[in-house]
Formats: sequence, C-alpha cells, structure tokens
Amino acid sequence: AQSVTQPDIHITVSEGASLELRCNYSYGATPYLFWYVQSPGQGLQLLLKYFSGDTLVQGIKGFEAEFKRSQSSFNLRKPSVHWSDAAEYFCAVGPFQGAQKLVFGQGTRLTINP
Amino acid sequence: GAVVSQHPSRVICKSGTSVKIECRSLDFQATTMFWYRQFPKKSLMLMATSNEGSKATYEQGVEKDKFLINHASLTLSTLTVTSAHPEDSSFYICSAKDRTNEQFFGPGTRLTVL
Repeated sequence: AQSVTQPDIHITVSEGASLELRCNYSYGATPYLFWYVQSPGQGLQLLLKYFSGDTLVQGIKGFEAEFKRSQSSFNLRKPSVHWSDAAEYFCAVGPFQGAQKLVFGQGTRLTINP
Repeated sequence: GAVVSQHPSRVICKSGTSVKIECRSLDFQATTMFWYRQFPKKSLMLMATSNEGSKATYEQGVEKDKFLINHASLTLSTLTVTSAHPEDSSFYICSAKDRTNEQFFGPGTRLTVL
C-alpha cells in the first residue's frame, strides 16, 4: 500500500537558518513525488515535483528537494528561511504522472523564530 | 498557471440542512476533479474522484449518499453535503487535473455545522 511519512510534526527554525523537512514514502511502482505548502486557511500550492531525471529538483520560493531511491526519501530543503515560509508542508506521492489520486503525508508545521 | 476556485470559502449551516460547494477550473478544462477533506492539524484525505459526465468514484468509508458529487461540465464539480451534522464540519479542498495530469488545488471551503 502506498504511504507517506513525514516524521516531524512541528519544526521551529530561526529566520535565516537552513531547513530540511523529511519525507519517506512507500510505493510499489515508480513514484511521482510532490511537495506542497499550505498557509493557514488556504489551499495547497505546489512547491516542486519529481518524476524522473535529475534527482535534485528546484522549486519555487528557493526550495529544493532530493530524491533518494535507496532511502525512499524525498526531503525538502531551503538554505535560508524567511518569516514568510511559516506554513504547513505536505509531501505527497502519486502514480505515473500523478494521473490518479495522491497520498499525502501528515504534514510538517514550520514555525519561524525572528 | 492553472487556477481553481471554490465557492463559498466559508459556510455555516444548521444541523440537518444541505450545503453545496462548488469547484471550478477557471482557465482550463478538467475531465477529472478530486475532493479532499482535511481535519484540523491533519493531512488531506481523498474523498472521491469526480469524472465529467459519469458517476464519481468514492474512497472506502466515504458515504456516497451523504456526499453527493456532480461533475456536469469540464469546468465545474459540486460537492453537496446532505443532512449535515456537526461531525461533517471540516475543511474541504478540491483539485482539478489538467491535460498534463497535474493537479491544481482550490483554496478550500471551511464548513461549520452548528
């Protein structure tokens, strides 16, 4: 069965510090991986996605993620966070080209200290 | 980028009444739309897949008679919560799949049943 695990429910970092949000997945076929961000009371915005090719993908807002097949991981990183990055972050996995349903992780809430 | 809207953004209703939520793809045609439910501080759970011109496909455990889905056109899907009860209070999010099979999410609808 497909599943996504985000081990950290809540992370607090200082503004300007680096960030890494963890995501591990279990999927029986070639996964299509996503990171979404959700601000309070808002829908989801796609940060980046990976299907094939270079395992380090660049996204919007200065985020990047690295796909590691051997570790079944797709961790999200940012070298220097801004106060506006405070939000909920969701990792998701889907089948080929994301045509069918996505399975979401539990989410990681990011708090930024000034 | 593709835009998906939802209406209303917030709705409060009395127990026993029905509520309709609209999901529209504003600048693309979507043969498939998805309806998710998000509990407070929880992940998104797929409720159903809405296909234009055909019956929706519901996930296990979702009552199809309670959550009526209609996808009458390529740009509109509706979710009707029938005989709503307080336990139906939640954040409902839709997404629409474009021709590249990418999902774009709406801003969500906050339903409160008194």
